[in-house]
Parts: sequence; structure tokens; C-alpha cells
Amino acid sequence: GAVVSQHPSWVICKSGTSVKIECRSLDFQATTMFWYRQFPKQSLMLMATSNEGSKATYEQGVEKDKFLINHASLTLSTLTVTSAHPEDSSFYICSASPLERPVTQYFGPGTRLLVL
Amino acid sequence: QKEVEQDPGPLSVPEGAIVSLNCTYSNSAFQYFMWYRQYSRKGPELLMYTYSSGNKEDGRFTAQVDKSSKYISLFIRDSQPSDSATYLCAMSDLNRDDKIIFGKGTRLHILP
Repeated sequence: GAVVSQHPSWVICKSGTSVKIECRSLDFQATTMFWYRQFPKQSLMLMATSNEGSKATYEQGVEKDKFLINHASLTLSTLTVTSAHPEDSSFYICSASPLERPVTQYFGPGTRLLVL
Repeated sequence: QKEVEQDPGPLSVPEGAIVSLNCTYSNSAFQYFMWYRQYSRKGPELLMYTYSSGNKEDGRFTAQVDKSSKYISLFIRDSQPSDSATYLCAMSDLNRDDKIIFGKGTRLHILP
């Protein structure tokens, strides 16, 4: 149980294009979903917290207009990197907290983004 | 002082040894404690979840929480090369909108 999927697992795009990453909780409903970014050999950096049906809460320094988050249902959240630039290349990981066990996060496998 | 401190390692131990991984924290309000394992280029995987103080065992893994010392540990018995990964401690209370605070992770290498 507690499986979270992400799609795509990796993506290469040209500078200036937008990329959408999907995060789904497959076997549970999530009160909250989180988006993280991770650079090589570094720890997770929380970008934003999203709750179903409400606006995401962004961490300090994260541009909300660049990283658009939509949390359409209790099992789906999307992150759109708009007008991507090479410095946006990173490993993006989502996580989800089950309704019955808040404070616990189950992570997706991550999406590797390379912007050329 | 950072809320959660974790030695980044790397920690190298021979196969079969007992591994001890630790974190300290400063916020006495933390009640939920977790350990995650992350393989290279993968998302973190929840290994252990503990509420409040005490021990919890699952197979070769044992998690300990000592709230009086603000210290948590993860022990791995009979370590195997497949245990080589980065281990992240994480913790939270109920006042953070489900956010959890991660340690920076300890890189563990099990030598065959």
C-alpha cells in the first residue's frame, strides 16, 4: 500500500518551453501533497505544499508563477515548470500524506528534468 | 542551531555489521519520527514511523526515539550491500500543516 506515482520519470525539453509533472497517490487519498526539488548529493528542498481544492503554499524563494501547482483531487497533483531554463534542471519529487495518517509522507519515484 | 542535525557521512561498514544511524533535534514539540531510505536517483522510501518515545522493530531495522535527549537512532542488523543508500531522518509535530523536517541524510556504504 501507500504507492505514489510520478509521470514522466524523466523529460528533456528546450529552454522556454513548459513541462508538466503529474503526481498520483494510487491506493490512498491524500489530504496534502508536497513538491520537492533535489540537486545531486543534496538533501530534499521543499518547494510547495498543496491541499486539494485550494491554492498551494510556496516556500520562501520559490516563484509561484514559475512553478504552477494544481491539486485537482485527493489523488492528483500537478507541477508545471513554466518557461523552463537550464537552471531549472533538477530532480523533482512529490509526496503525499494519507488522510488516515497525516504527518507521514509517501514519496513518488521522482522526475528528472533536463532543460537544454 | 538547526532543527534537525544528521551526520552526512559517508559511513562505510563491512557486510554483516550492525549499522547505527543517528539524528539529534532541538524542537521538543516533535512527536512523529520517521526514517527514509533513498537510493540514487530514486524517491525516498519510508522505512520506519514512530510516534513519541520508544523502540520499534521491523525485520532487520530498529528505530529508537529518546525524547529526553532529543536523539533518534536507526539500527540495521546483518547489513547487506543492498542497504547501501542515503538514510534520512524526518520528524514533525501537528502544527506544521503536515510538513516534516528532514535531516540532510547519511550516505551509507556496505562493503561486500
